Amino acid sequence: NAGVTQTPKFRVLKTGQSMTLLCAQDMNHEYMYWYRQDPGMGLRLIHYSVGEGTTAKGEVPDGYNVSRLKKQNFLLGLESAAPSQTSVYFCASGDSHSGANVLTFGAGSRLTVL
Amino acid sequence: DAKTTQPTSMDCAEGRAANLPCNHSTISGNEYVYWYRQIHSQGPQYIIHGLKNNETNEMASLIITEDRKSSTLILPHATLRDTAVYYCIVSSTDSWGKLQFGAGTQVVVTP
Repeated sequence: NAGVTQTPKFRVLKTGQSMTLLCAQDMNHEYMYWYRQDPGMGLRLIHYSVGEGTTAKGEVPDGYNVSRLKKQNFLLGLESAAPSQTSVYFCASGDSHSGANVLTFGAGSRLTVL
Repeated sequence: DAKTTQPTSMDCAEGRAANLPCNHSTISGNEYVYWYRQIHSQGPQYIIHGLKNNETNEMASLIITEDRKSSTLILPHATLRDTAVYYCIVSSTDSWGKLQFGAGTQVVVTP
């Protein structure tokens, strides 16, 4: 049982390049999330999904797109990377049980944009 | 969602109990209190959550005041591996599980 797996773990991009981060979960969770964390700060929600085929904007969605074509996968795309998107990206998944929703996080993907 | 207030940092001696306070004075009736921690460079790890009653699991205990305006996370016997940033988060049952992270409390466990 791998939980939440993020690929790649590290990536260096040049300004203007595009890339996709992949998040995969094997817990059959309905909800999935992408967060970013800048140095010394807490996590901020980029986009989230409450089920296959659905996506919604979080706190900081600009410059990112997402897709949830399969329940177990949640993709985060950067169409034209900017240095401000240098960050550590965390994916999470969860489900609601009796109103509470406990999230499982991945190990993170460290992105540097030059 | 209601916001939380936590101390910026605290130290704890190895083997002693660590008591981490959190204020959430504007919490609503349908909001849970969640605690997560983040060990350096790793993804956040769930610790415990509660609504009204005190809760205990293998990692920690959560004490919620009767008026629900504050809570305390208790690590009963802190170890060096408990050094981490601890996040107290309140989230409602109708927020699709979204968590709003603050700066958290940096806990350093010393030998």
